[in-house]
Amino acid sequence: SQQGEEDPQALSIQEGENATMNCSYKTSINNLQWYRQNSGRGLVHLILIRSNEREKHSGRLRVTLDTSKKSSSLLITASRAADTASYFCATVLLTGNTPLVFGKGTRLSVIA
Amino acid sequence: GAGVSQSPRYKVAKRGQDVALRCDPISGHVSLFWYQQALGQGPEFLTYFQNEAQLDKSGLPSDRFFAERPEGSVSTLKIQRTQQEDSAVYLCASSLGAGVTYEQYFGPGTRLTVT
Repeated sequence: SQQGEEDPQALSIQEGENATMNCSYKTSINNLQWYRQNSGRGLVHLILIRSNEREKHSGRLRVTLDTSKKSSSLLITASRAADTASYFCATVLLTGNTPLVFGKGTRLSVIA
Repeated sequence: GAGVSQSPRYKVAKRGQDVALRCDPISGHVSLFWYQQALGQGPEFLTYFQNEAQLDKSGLPSDRFFAERPEGSVSTLKIQRTQQEDSAVYLCASSLGAGVTYEQYFGPGTRLTVT
């Protein structure tokens, strides 16, 4: 079963615009991670935010986490055609050597 | 340095055949995970190894699925008597340590098509 759900399922924007994707999850977490997956390629780790953090930045990426609402958002600023990919949030539960629990992903298309 | 590698990248099997998928993790990585990704879905956990010990196999969908990591490095996921519903991309990931805070590094996956 998948804990996270991304919203929207698909997003199409023009190059230079910002893209925002949201993720909701069900149970308490240790951390939440965002991954990118290009067609035919593996998953690439983008950013990790811990449960005691509220916002994190990495280059053009900004991630927020609201543990009271069990939700996170990923903002990509000044998008480029190369950002076209599927984006997944993945949660790590509180205890143990737990695997990542992925959502179904948001398919982002950036049109040049 | 070398990342996680998987072989074969593509595999076509006739229904009922057995298949073996290989994962070479990053050297020195303690933890190894297998995930299954159906078309249009996110990856779903199959099994987890810490060194050679299989600590969690709760995600394996049936007893036709078997995984091993006998020397704590290379891992093999075996699927016996493949069925059409086994068609998916199988992803392997490794991480340096054991525990929830270590980043997982993914391989490119093996796309299995069962005809």
